[in-house]
Amino acid sequence: DAGVIQSPRHEVTEMGQEVTLRCKPISGHDYLFWYRQTMMRGLELLIYFNNNVPIDDSGMPEDRFSAKMPNASFSTLKIQPSEPRDSAVYFCASSAGTAGNTIYFGEGSWLTVV
Amino acid sequence: GQNIDQPTEMTATEGAIVQINCTYQTSGFNGLFWYQQHAGEAPTFLSYNVLDGLEEKGRFSSFLSRSKGYSYLLLKELQMKDSASYLCAVRPLSGGYQKVTFGTGTKLQVIP
Repeated sequence: DAGVIQSPRHEVTEMGQEVTLRCKPISGHDYLFWYRQTMMRGLELLIYFNNNVPIDDSGMPEDRFSAKMPNASFSTLKIQPSEPRDSAVYFCASSAGTAGNTIYFGEGSWLTVV
Repeated sequence: GQNIDQPTEMTATEGAIVQINCTYQTSGFNGLFWYQQHAGEAPTFLSYNVLDGLEEKGRFSSFLSRSKGYSYLLLKELQMKDSASYLCAVRPLSGGYQKVTFGTGTKLQVIP
């Protein structure tokens, strides 16, 4: 079975540019998560969706960040405008909606903002 | 909220046993995950503990004490490929049980 698929794997962009990260969750999973990982702060939950509806976006750093899930098989995380401090690995993850179920991570999108 | 503490780094010898500790303070607790993350890769699931006690899965075991807010991951017969970061993560009891909080991870280096 295909796992969580993310694109792009690596992106280098200039400060001020818009960045769009994409994710395809595991088929049948009804929860989708966006995490950000840095050396200083570790793995932080930015936002998660249940059945395509955003449930908790309290981890989104500021208004420059937005996420959408137009259907069960696709989500985007957008940063506009991007700043150097946004440089991190962004992981998308998904899980089935029962307590105790494993969260499966994609390979991550490595973002560098210069 | 949750607060999770793990040692930052550990070193152990190939063939030995290592124990990675995790302590947590949380307003409500449902269960605790351990994930393994090799450098440059995604975290992968190792274990999930809900009840007190030790759960064994091959060379890896995970222990939980809910009353003490404490867990450990035990790795036996260490292999070089076990060099990775090990992330402890807590699932809350309420406020969205999918809102799992991760510790910053313990970077384990296995040496010959």
